[in-house]
Amino acid sequence: GEDVEQSLFLSVREGDSSVINCTYTDSSSTYLYWYKQEPGAGLQLLTYIFSNMDMKQDQRLTVLLNKKDKHLSLRIADTQTGDSAIYFCAEFYNQGGKLIFGQGTELSVKP
Amino acid sequence: DGGITQSPKYLFRKEGQNVTLSCEQNLNHDAMYWYRQDPGQGLRLIYYSQIVNDFQKGDIAEGYSVSREKKESFPLTVTSAQKNPTAFYLCASSMFGENYNEQFFGPGTRLTVL
Repeated sequence: GEDVEQSLFLSVREGDSSVINCTYTDSSSTYLYWYKQEPGAGLQLLTYIFSNMDMKQDQRLTVLLNKKDKHLSLRIADTQTGDSAIYFCAEFYNQGGKLIFGQGTELSVKP
Repeated sequence: DGGITQSPKYLFRKEGQNVTLSCEQNLNHDAMYWYRQDPGQGLRLIYYSQIVNDFQKGDIAEGYSVSREKKESFPLTVTSAQKNPTAFYLCASSMFGENYNEQFFGPGTRLTVL
């Protein structure tokens, strides 16, 4: 079956880098996603990576993909208090035509 | 402005009552989805629809029902058979494709059973 796992909490100091990790199970996934959820709101797509890529950088965000270990990470450089939110990774489950989400990692940024 | 809307933002229900949550999109998306979010459990898929007049059960469909009579609308009914309905409900939509599936989310409805 399909499954996506994330740690539930991460706490960092303002200005430090944050690294949020995710593991997935469907080796045929072609796209993997990172979403951000602010309190009481819906999810917003932050970035995505195609499975034939190892890395994707977008301003302060860096996504690393290790297909062999089925491991995905999101690095946020120079983390700000406005980055405090829940971050979800998701994989596209080809057989079901749907996204499978992890439990979400709550990032807390302390001044 | 294109987007996806949910109403109401907050909803209170007495035990034993059915309640319907609204979801509308004007993005011309083929597919629509309903998720339930509980603390520490992430998003769980309730129902999804890839085309008008068709929908499939997700992982936790028991106690819920949906309809897809129009492309832009996908209402969710929480029935009295749902034993623990208090949660945050999120609706999403996407273009239906074989691989890329960027989902756009509404702002959510928080349902509380009194």
